[in-house]
Amino acid sequence: GQQLNQSPQSMFIQEGEDVSMNCTSSSIFNTWLWYKQDPGEGPVLLIALYKAGELTSNGRLTAQFGITRKDSFLNISASIPSDVGIYFCAGLSNNAGNMLTFGGGTRLMVKP
Amino acid sequence: GAVVSQHPSRVICKSGTSVKIECRSLDFQATTMFWYRQFPKQSLMLMATSNEGSKATYEQGVEKDKFLINHASLTLSTLTVTSAHPEDSSFYICSASGRGGEETQYFGPGTRLLVL
Repeated sequence: GQQLNQSPQSMFIQEGEDVSMNCTSSSIFNTWLWYKQDPGEGPVLLIALYKAGELTSNGRLTAQFGITRKDSFLNISASIPSDVGIYFCAGLSNNAGNMLTFGGGTRLMVKP
Repeated sequence: GAVVSQHPSRVICKSGTSVKIECRSLDFQATTMFWYRQFPKQSLMLMATSNEGSKATYEQGVEKDKFLINHASLTLSTLTVTSAHPEDSSFYICSASGRGGEETQYFGPGTRLLVL
């Protein structure tokens, strides 16, 4: 199925550094979601964005819904070892039967 | 956030047997549940969408007779992998959403299936 373009595919950073990842699409979405998946687990919702231009924070996480509704970014500030995992963006379009379209994922590795 | 459970978390079966996976929304009514499959180091692939009380809608390439989905109540959906073969080995994840799927999807912890 269709995927969002998520970048980077992987990141290896030092503990304490800030992280930024983004997703772009050729289609418009009504909702952007960011999930984190640990090995052997299901994705856990981090942030949900419902309005174009919306900027939302959840602790050290900040995400924005692009004004064109075709992109979103997720920032993690002052990374810690437990931030390790795979981060997925997902777009929800009411025109697509309410199905989620997923990005390819960003694998984050944090060096203590 | 909403809680979704899956059972079993891990299952090993012989080739040719059928395996049933349950997905439950524990603290909300899920009008829509989704079933995904995930291969190692890949993103989630939607298999089917099920609405409570109606037949599931399968994605292209997913055999409905092999992957039987039942969504009999607002809190339970089941996926049965019939006559499982080694190539069916994968990580199966469900998600649940309220209001006909318009609300945010919450994911279960996944079920790892290994077919010998």
